[in-house]
Amino acid sequence: EDKVVQSPLSLVVHEGDTVTLNCSYEVTNFRSLLWYKQEKKAPTFLFMLTSSGIEKKSGRLSSILDKKELFSILNITATQTGDSAVYLCAVEANTGNQFYFGTGTSLTVIP
Amino acid sequence: NAGVTQTPKFRILKIGQSMTLQCTQDMNHNYMYWYRQDPGMGLKLIYYSVGAGITDKGEVPNGYNVSRSTTEDFPLRLELAAPSQTSVYFCASNRPGGDFGQFFGPGTRLTVL
Repeated sequence: EDKVVQSPLSLVVHEGDTVTLNCSYEVTNFRSLLWYKQEKKAPTFLFMLTSSGIEKKSGRLSSILDKKELFSILNITATQTGDSAVYLCAVEANTGNQFYFGTGTSLTVIP
Repeated sequence: NAGVTQTPKFRILKIGQSMTLQCTQDMNHNYMYWYRQDPGMGLKLIYYSVGAGITDKGEVPNGYNVSRSTTEDFPLRLELAAPSQTSVYFCASNRPGGDFGQFFGPGTRLTVL
């Protein structure tokens, strides 16, 4: 059965801290892994990763994929209260172009 | 571009009633999806479509039906609503092989009492 597992389920940090969110997967016919940010509304796209070992960066956020060990991490440095959200990991399968989502990591950043 | 639009934003149904959730995208995407998200959970795929006239079941299709008569529209039909269908429903679309994953609509919050 295809599955995506995220950890931790929730995290509370202080502004300025650095956090690492984890995503492991078992999906047949892997095409890509995606990270989304969800703030009480629709998910918004952060990163798409298809190749192992290549880091994607956007400001204070970065992500990397390990296709051998079947996991990805999302790093957020110098966290701000605006980073508070649920971060979703999804894996896209080639078969039928389906996306499998993890349950998300809820991040709360305290001032 | 409006992107992906969904109507209604909120709806309360009584057990046994039926309704259609509307989804429209103006990006000419071939692929469209319907997900449900229960509190504290990730998104579960209900149905998806790879083009007009073609639909397929996802992980949790029971109690739902879809149709895809045009590229733009992908309505989701609930027949005989049940309390277990209380959820937030998201429609999404993407272009196969694209670099930005899926584009999501704003969601419909449905309560079945």
